Amino acid sequence: NAGVTQTPKFRILKIGQSMTLQCAQDMNHNYMYWYRQDPGMGLKLIYYSVGAGITDKGEVPNGYNVSRSTTEDFPLRLELAAPSQTSVYFCASSYSVPGLAGGPPEQYFGPGTRLTVT
Amino acid sequence: QKEVEQDPGPLSVPEGAIVSLNCTYSNSAFQYFMWYRQYSRKGPELLMYTYSSGNKEDGRFTAQVDKSSKYISLFIRDSQPSDSATYLCAVYGGATNKLIFGTGTLLAVQP
Repeated sequence: NAGVTQTPKFRILKIGQSMTLQCAQDMNHNYMYWYRQDPGMGLKLIYYSVGAGITDKGEVPNGYNVSRSTTEDFPLRLELAAPSQTSVYFCASSYSVPGLAGGPPEQYFGPGTRLTVT
Repeated sequence: QKEVEQDPGPLSVPEGAIVSLNCTYSNSAFQYFMWYRQYSRKGPELLMYTYSSGNKEDGRFTAQVDKSSKYISLFIRDSQPSDSATYLCAVYGGATNKLIFGTGTLLAVQP
């Protein structure tokens, strides 16, 4: 299994440009997540999905959009890039948790995309 | 008040030292407490987790939770240079079904 894969690894965007960060997983996980990680700020949840066709906002969704047409893929779209979106973006996936007795949602992370907006 | 607080470090120790990494959390509804390890320029990976209070041991690593003081700890015995990484604590449970991460502590183990 490849696990969680992300493309591209690096990207430099100009202010106002658009791009899509790709994420795919081959573990048949129904939950998928997008995080951004800034120095000293930890991981912040942007969007998540509990299954194909279902997405919801996380803590910092402004400036981003997502879609989930298949179980495997969860792309993140930046429409009008701003310098504040310079960050490292991680995609993750997990099984759903039927209840607390089912154990915590172990999230499997991709290798990340380093994005710079100038 | 942040839901999870973690000292960002950096923490530098000599090889063989015992390392103590800590977090505090604010919501008593959290039930699962996790530690993720993140090597430089890689994604985080789950190291271990505990449910409710108590200790859990896995080789050189021990996770400890004190729910009365809302304190989470990770101890690393006989630390190795390969343990050099950022360690993130995370909590789960309560009304949300999302993980909440600490900011991470950067650990460097010097040979």
